[in-house]
Amino acid sequence: NAGVTQTPKFRVLKTGQSMTLLCAQDMNHEYMYWYRQDPGMGLRLIHYSVGEGTTAKGEVPDGYNVSRLKKQNFLLGLESAAPSQTSVYFCASRNSSGTGKKDIQYFGAGTRLSVL
Amino acid sequence: DAKTTQPTSMDCAEGRAANLPCNHSTISGNEYVYWYRQIHSQGPQYIIHGLKNNETNEMASLIITEDRKSSTLILPHATLRDTAVYYCIVRARTSGGSNYKLTFGKGTLLTVNP
Repeated sequence: NAGVTQTPKFRVLKTGQSMTLLCAQDMNHEYMYWYRQDPGMGLRLIHYSVGEGTTAKGEVPDGYNVSRLKKQNFLLGLESAAPSQTSVYFCASRNSSGTGKKDIQYFGAGTRLSVL
Repeated sequence: DAKTTQPTSMDCAEGRAANLPCNHSTISGNEYVYWYRQIHSQGPQYIIHGLKNNETNEMASLIITEDRKSSTLILPHATLRDTAVYYCIVRARTSGGSNYKLTFGKGTLLTVNP
């Protein structure tokens, strides 16, 4: 059981280039999330999805797009990368508890992105 | 969203109990307290959560004060592998009320020393 897998693990981009980060989970979870973490800071929510075919904006969505075409995958796209997007990106997933009382998110290992 | 306040850093001797405090004085009645930790260069890991009662699992214990304005995470026998940043989080709804979100602050860096 792999849990949450992120690819790639590292990437260096030039300003203006585009790329897609892939998150895959094998736990049949409904909810998926993309966060970014800057040095010395906590995680900030970029976008999230409550199910296949749905996406919603989080705290810092500008400059990013997402898609959830399949339940197990959540893609984060950067159309025109900027140095301010240099960060570590984490994906997470969780099940729909039904009662709303549990929010145990399972995280991937992260993608380290540098934009020059 | 209820804010949380944690010390920036703490030290603990290996084998001793680590007690990590968290203040959440503005928590509302139906908000849960969650604890996650992040070992260097890894994704955060869930530890424990609670509403009113004290909770214990295989990783830790969570003590919540009666007025729910503060809590303490207890690692009973800290090991070197417990060195990590520990996040105390009050779970809140996202805008629109259709989902819950976790807001990660800066957390407490716990260093377990040999």
